[in-house]
Amino acid sequence: GDSVTQMEGPVTLSEEAFLTINCTYTATGYPSLFWYVQYPGEGLQLLLKATKADDKGSNKGFEATYRKETTSFHLEKGSVQVSDSAVYFCALIRPGFQKLVFGTGTRLLVSP
Amino acid sequence: DTEVTQTPKHLVMGMTNKKSLKCEQHMGHRAMYWYKQKAKKPPELMFVYSYEKLSINESVPSRFSPECPNSSLLNLHLHALQPEDSALYLCASSQPPGLNTGELFFGEGSRLTVL
Repeated sequence: GDSVTQMEGPVTLSEEAFLTINCTYTATGYPSLFWYVQYPGEGLQLLLKATKADDKGSNKGFEATYRKETTSFHLEKGSVQVSDSAVYFCALIRPGFQKLVFGTGTRLLVSP
Repeated sequence: DTEVTQTPKHLVMGMTNKKSLKCEQHMGHRAMYWYKQKAKKPPELMFVYSYEKLSINESVPSRFSPECPNSSLLNLHLHALQPEDSALYLCASSQPPGLNTGELFFGEGSRLTVL
């Protein structure tokens, strides 16, 4: 079945450091890929998405590129802020399906 | 501000109580979802409604009973719950199948504690 694998957390960084959170997937066909973010005490928000190979999603300084050859969708940000502290979920959905498949989530902690 | 509104934000109930969680959206979405999220875990899909009809039930126990009275509202009726049902319950909405690209809009959740 479809699955998403994320790096274990927590990821602990100092402000202005470079961020990478790894995500790889297994799926039949050509899924759409997403990063969702969950701030403490809140629901999930869509951070960025990519719907086909080589697409780059970007938002709020975060980027991720859909790499079909490595089945990856790694999240990057050049300079993190304390306000980026949250849990980040990688997810996929196959076209025509309604079930979003989530990774286990990676907690990011950014200190001043 | 979230465009999916959930009430109540917090709920404490005993194992013999009957309560309901409510969700409302005004984005014109025709698919609505209930997810359950335990601490430090990803959300788990419970139910999906498409065009006000139940389209997915992920083998959820019958003590959870969903209802979709109209295209804007989604309820989750709770009865005879167990302490292990304590969790954050998230409502979400999206475009319906065929138009859904996986972009779900989530509410802030209802945190349920079962004593």
